Amino acid sequence: GDSVTQMEGPVTLSEEAFLTINCTYTATGYPSLFWYVQYPGEGLQLLLKATKADDKGSNKGFEATYRKETTSFHLEKGSVQVSDSAVYFCALASPGYSSASKIIFGSGTRLSIRP
Amino acid sequence: DSGVTQTPKHLITATGQRVTLRCSPRSGDLSVYWYQQSLDQGLQFLIQYYNGEERAKGNILERFSAQQFPDLHSELNLSSLELGDSALYFCASSLRWDGYTFGSGTRLTVV
Repeated sequence: GDSVTQMEGPVTLSEEAFLTINCTYTATGYPSLFWYVQYPGEGLQLLLKATKADDKGSNKGFEATYRKETTSFHLEKGSVQVSDSAVYFCALASPGYSSASKIIFGSGTRLSIRP
Repeated sequence: DSGVTQTPKHLITATGQRVTLRCSPRSGDLSVYWYQQSLDQGLQFLIQYYNGEERAKGNILERFSAQQFPDLHSELNLSSLELGDSALYFCASSLRWDGYTFGSGTRLTVV
């Protein structure tokens, strides 16, 4: 079945460092890919998404490119801030027949940024 | 405010009891999804409803059940509660398969 694998955390970086969180997926067909972020004590928020191959999702300085040839959707940010400390989830959803399909999440990567 | 409303925000109950969690989807969304988030197990998909009908089932225990009502709100019923059921329970809604909005969750503590 469909699955998502993301790098294990925790990841600890200094402020202004470059961030990469790796994510690879297994799916039949052409899924949509997502990154969600969960700040402490809060629910999940959609950070960015890409719905087809070579699409680049971006938001708040974060970017991820849908790479079908490597089945990857790595999350990157050029200069992280303390406020980026959170848990990041990579996820996919495959189009369902006549209705929306469930999202499958990776295990989450906890990111901590040192001032 | 994401538009998805979950109540209650916190719930503390004893083992063996039954609770009901409620979710009101974002206006216009027909699908509702329930997820369980435990400390060590990430996000587990429980069940999906679409316009009142069950559409997909994940790792949902037999002690758990859900339904979606004609006004599209959904309820997740958890019975014969065990300590291990303590978790965050999230609801999400969507209209199509490329857009999902999550509620802020219900934190269930079983003592």
